[in-house]
Amino acid sequence: GNSVTQMEGPVTLSEEAFLTINCTYTATGYPSLFWYVQYPGEGLQLLLKATKADDKGSNKGFEATYRKETTSFHLEKGSVQVSDSAVYFCALSFQGGSEKLVFGKGTKLTVNP
Amino acid sequence: SAVISQKPSRDICQRGTSLTIQCQVDSQVTMMFWYRQQPGQSLTLIATANQGSEATYESGFVIDKFPISRPNLTFSTLTVSNMSPEDSSIYLCSVGGRGDYGYTFGSGTRLTVV
Repeated sequence: GNSVTQMEGPVTLSEEAFLTINCTYTATGYPSLFWYVQYPGEGLQLLLKATKADDKGSNKGFEATYRKETTSFHLEKGSVQVSDSAVYFCALSFQGGSEKLVFGKGTKLTVNP
Repeated sequence: SAVISQKPSRDICQRGTSLTIQCQVDSQVTMMFWYRQQPGQSLTLIATANQGSEATYESGFVIDKFPISRPNLTFSTLTVSNMSPEDSSIYLCSVGGRGDYGYTFGSGTRLTVV
């Protein structure tokens, strides 16, 4: 079946450090890939997405590139801020919104000043 | 993208009782999804709700425990029935995007069963 494997957390960084959160997937076919963010006490927000191989999603300084050859969608940010402290979820889906999202387990990021 | 209003945002309930969670969408959508997020865990799909038909439940979830209504294309409810402390979770509704493959989530209902 379809699945998403995410880097285990928690991750603790100092402000302005470089962030990478690894995400790989297993799927039959070519899914759309997503990163969602959940700030403390809030619901999920879409951070970025990519719908086909070699697409790069970007938002708020975060980037992720859809790599078909390595079935990966790693999240990166060059300089994290305290306000980036949250739980990050990698997810996949098919068929443009008519199919469920399959989530990774989530990675908790804490950024210290 | 769609905007979802979900309520209640949180509740503390006695075991054995039921709670109904509502989601209102600002546009018509074909499919709505209900997820559960247990403490410190990822999201698990409970069921998919289409307007005018029975909801489709994922393995491990049954209609008697989580009845869902979908009376029209902008509204759905999820009921958590005969609650136990193990039902303490965040429950979220979601709708799929159009063309851009994005999904929008409600703000979630944080349920504590005592």
